[in-house]
Formats: sequence, C-alpha cells, structure tokens
Amino acid sequence: QLQIQESGPGLVKPSETLSLTCTVSGFPISSSSYYWGWIRQPPGKRLEWIGNVFYSGTTSYNPSLQGRVIISIDTSKNQFSLKVTSVTVADTAVYYCARLDRDPDNNWYFDFWGRGTLVTVSS
Amino acid sequence: DIQMTQFPSSVSASVGDRVSITCRASQDIGTWLGWYQQKPGKAPKLLIYAASSLQSGAPSRFSGSGSGTDFTLTISSLQPEDFATYYCQQANSFPYTFGQGTKLEIK
Repeated sequence: QLQIQESGPGLVKPSETLSLTCTVSGFPISSSSYYWGWIRQPPGKRLEWIGNVFYSGTTSYNPSLQGRVIISIDTSKNQFSLKVTSVTVADTAVYYCARLDRDPDNNWYFDFWGRGTLVTVSS
Repeated sequence: DIQMTQFPSSVSASVGDRVSITCRASQDIGTWLGWYQQKPGKAPKLLIYAASSLQSGAPSRFSGSGSGTDFTLTISSLQPEDFATYYCQQANSFPYTFGQGTKLEIK
C-alpha cells in the first residue's frame, strides 16, 4: 500500500536553507507513469504548487519562488527532496509531498498526498 | 499565472442537502481541472479530475461539471464526513494554481 511521508526540521532560521525529504513506501518512484511533487500551504492561505520531479530527474518549478528551489530524486532510496534557499518568514507553511497521476489527455493531478509537515521560519 | 477563484468561500448545509461549489478560472483551461477535499490536519484528497471524472475510491455522490472557465463540484446528498474544505486546481499549464478554498460547515 502506497505511503508518503515528509520529514525534516520544523524550524529554520531566516536566510538559511529549508531541506525536506519525502519517503515513498509501497510503490517505486522509478515508475515512468508518475511525477512526484511538492506543494505548500502558508497559514490561512491557499495551496501553492512548488514543483515536480520525474524519475529521470527532470524538474519543473513555480517561477514565483524565483530560482530558490531545487527538487531532486534518489530512486535507490525511494525518496525525493526539496531545498528552498534564502528563506524568509513568508516561507512558513505546511509542506506536502505528493504523487502526480495523469488523465487520458496527459494532464497531471495530485492523486496521493503525504500528511504534511509544518516548517516555521523564525530566528 | 492562471487565477482560480472559488465561491462561496464558505457554506452552511445540513446532512442530506445537495450542495454546489463553483470555481472560475481567469482564462480558458478546457476541462483540465481537479477538485480536492481537505479535512483539518489531514492531507488533501483528490475527488474529481478532468473536470468530471470521479477519482477511484471517491464516493459517487460527488460529481463535477464545466469547461472553459466555469466549473462546479456538486455533492448530491451531504454525509457527516463531507464537512471539510474543498479546493479546485487547474492542470492546464504551469504553474499549477489552486482556488482559495470553500469551507463546508454543518448548519
């Protein structure tokens, strides 16, 4: 049974790098049928897509994060990771990792999510 | 970016009621829209994809309709477990964007 779990520090200082790992169990992230993504939700705000990664390492990112994001994948560990550099209080959010599946027209939806992890940016 | 606007922002209803939630895109997104349900402290759950296709495991009382810029999520007969926040998401183009959410509360 597929399980997805985010892990990483819950507190990060301003200007430092936020690093999270998503561990997938019960399903190989090396599958060519799915993407893997990160989404965040600041307190009281809407969900915000951060980016996706394919098993090959191909990535897509939200331009709003202005080049501060790196998503990588490690198929040997069945994990993928998120790094956000130069964080500010505006990066405080619940961070989710998720699997993306495609519809018959090759559009992608987040079909399975982790439970999320709160990351607070504060000195 | 494509802006997604949901209305109402909140709605009160009773068990057994029929409820509809609307999502509007700032430009034509075809039928590339998903609906998600989120309960407090839990991960969002995909209910509908491609505007009207029911995700495997989602109850049949949920249905979606629409195309272009206007979309609707309908719950035919509310059950106690349906009280949650609902989000739409456009899958037409990067960056993927979500609506602000509609909170469904018990009357």
